[in-house]
Amino acid sequence: EIVMTQSPATLSVSPGESATLSCRASQSINSNLAWYQQKPGQAPRLLIYGASSRATGFPARFSGSGSGTEFTLTISSLQSEDLAVYYCQQYHNWLPYTFGQGTKLEIK
Amino acid sequence: QVQLQQWGAGLLKPSETLSLTCAVYGGSFSGYYWSWIRQPPGKGLEWIGEMNHSGSTNLNPSLKSRVTISLDMSKNQFSLKLSSVTAADTAVYYCARGGRSMDVWGRGTTVTVSS
Repeated sequence: EIVMTQSPATLSVSPGESATLSCRASQSINSNLAWYQQKPGQAPRLLIYGASSRATGFPARFSGSGSGTEFTLTISSLQSEDLAVYYCQQYHNWLPYTFGQGTKLEIK
Repeated sequence: QVQLQQWGAGLLKPSETLSLTCAVYGGSFSGYYWSWIRQPPGKGLEWIGEMNHSGSTNLNPSLKSRVTISLDMSKNQFSLKLSSVTAADTAVYYCARGGRSMDVWGRGTTVTVSS
């Protein structure tokens, strides 16, 4: 099983600043990585797929990068509505697909 | 705009079978994998398994012995059964479109296992 490790567990950022979230895979997953945004009380929502492709409905201030074992989600010009838990997920190996434990993004 | 509507029993006793159904509205059922994911209270996401219209199924090895995923193409629905539930199966269960990355999600069904 591929283990996904996210850091930090909690990130507190002021509005207008940038947030950088990290995700590390226990083995290479090429670019087979997705990011999800889960707001309080809601289902997760696909944010990034293929490590860097933005899903429908998300603005350009959300960007993903990385390949292999190291991945980054960057949110620029942070807004209050970005308050959420962000999960990474690998789909390189479906035995099983695995998620990181999440990074909680707080707005100062 | 594809939407997923899910339903099922929310309170189970230990050893019972969890049964959930997800209906697909506004889009094609064929050509996609259809997935189940769960989230224990206050915790992260766990992939349960997926199935496509051809009947190809992939299941999380940790749950494989207790999980059945099925599709009803005539109704555009897919279902999850999880047998012999325990308190550890208490979670919000989500249905979603897509194997690999999942781009459309249901709202979730809270399932509590308690005697």
